[in-house]
Amino acid sequence: QKEVEQNSGPLSVPEGAIASLNCTYSDRGSQSFFWYRQYSGKSPELIMSIYSNGDKEDGRFTAQLNKASQYVSLLIRDSQPSDSATYLCAVITSGSARQLTFGSGTQLTVLP
Amino acid sequence: DTEVTQTPKHLVMGMTNKKSLKCEQHMGHRAMYWYKQKAKKPPELMFVYSYEKLSINESVPSRFSPECPNSSLLNLHLHALQPEDSALYLCASSRGASGGIYEQYFGPGTRLTVT
Repeated sequence: QKEVEQNSGPLSVPEGAIASLNCTYSDRGSQSFFWYRQYSGKSPELIMSIYSNGDKEDGRFTAQLNKASQYVSLLIRDSQPSDSATYLCAVITSGSARQLTFGSGTQLTVLP
Repeated sequence: DTEVTQTPKHLVMGMTNKKSLKCEQHMGHRAMYWYKQKAKKPPELMFVYSYEKLSINESVPSRFSPECPNSSLLNLHLHALQPEDSALYLCASSRGASGGIYEQYFGPGTRLTVT
């Protein structure tokens, strides 16, 4: 079982819609969760971090964490074509290494 | 400011060459990382430096040799690489290492091609 799982997509949404990206993780002791956006040919850019159960909002982005269900999601409201990218879910696991473990990424396309 | 810089942006090298990748951050971060990313795959951790000391080496072949001259600089020395080592090499930094709540910020990467 992969430690961090995401739907690989691709996910397509129309401009102005809400894009919903999902991620599950296997390590129940994980404490820190991140979403990175990566445009084609570019490096990952940190867009959200969340540490506590519930919602965290930053502009058009909302991260949601449910530790009991081992689930973290990212909602993008009023999606724009410029949001088209691969979104990487990343988790700091509780093992001895405690390093960042990435999901395989979800490719999002926002259609004009 | 969350800027991590990397040089060069692109590098083409033969299998017998020796080259180095450089990374710099001026955010006062005490942990720095090297990742390798192949196309359509997530980044894979190679090395972690914490307080200028190598703390993690993810079973990386010896043809990759990291160096941390000071808390702001990180190098990756390359020697006798193979074509399958062609990838995007990413440097990242964070306030601390060993997990916790320390966000990692990535540099723009070096696109390496081994011929």
